[in-house]
Amino acid sequence: DSGVTQTPKHLITATGQRVTLRCSPRSGDLSVYWYQQSLDQGLQFLIQYYNGEERAKGNILERFSAQQFPDLHSELNLSSLELGDSALYFCASSSQGSEAFFGQGTRLTVV
Amino acid sequence: AQSVTQPDIHITVSEGASLELRCNYSYGATPYLFWYVQSPGQGLQLLLKYFSGDTLVQGIKGFEAEFKRSQSSFNLRKPSVHWSDAAEYFCAVEGPLGFQKLVFGTGTRLLVSP
Repeated sequence: DSGVTQTPKHLITATGQRVTLRCSPRSGDLSVYWYQQSLDQGLQFLIQYYNGEERAKGNILERFSAQQFPDLHSELNLSSLELGDSALYFCASSSQGSEAFFGQGTRLTVV
Repeated sequence: AQSVTQPDIHITVSEGASLELRCNYSYGATPYLFWYVQSPGQGLQLLLKYFSGDTLVQGIKGFEAEFKRSQSSFNLRKPSVHWSDAAEYFCAVEGPLGFQKLVFGTGTRLLVSP
């Protein structure tokens, strides 16, 4: 168990809908990272938050957004969903200078 | 730009045999390198990492990796594979956005035969 908790584990939704994925980082970790794992793109870094502020942006679509709350949990919001957004979404967390620990992911299926 | 190549999509190894998974990276400076394992339905677990210093890195579950700058490689090895090692293995390098914003390879799926 990495200490990073992601909910829900599975999500099935229709095209055009909006979903929210939730991540609770390891205790004490200020950084949260979101990654997408899809069959065609592989594992890609999406976005990082550090202590409530956006720190780095990767290959994140404009339809996607994230935030980190004062209790350090983070949410990834995906809107206007398309079939191609079906993927496994990982959250990871780290403390200063340490490696990231990954959660078990949320599998999103868009039908 | 930083990139990682894992040339083997699938590898099958007999239980008890040795294992080497290949990883080549492209990076302008001394990279931070990682190996992660993903078991079916599980998240990514860090096996080992290289930041600096000794080029032979020991990790968990009996794995090790060797950083070879001249070959831009960071191959993962295990002397004797167990059936429980069957999983997908990902090599990663620190990406252009900095520490922990990783660029992953496409993964190598390890199958272990009895």
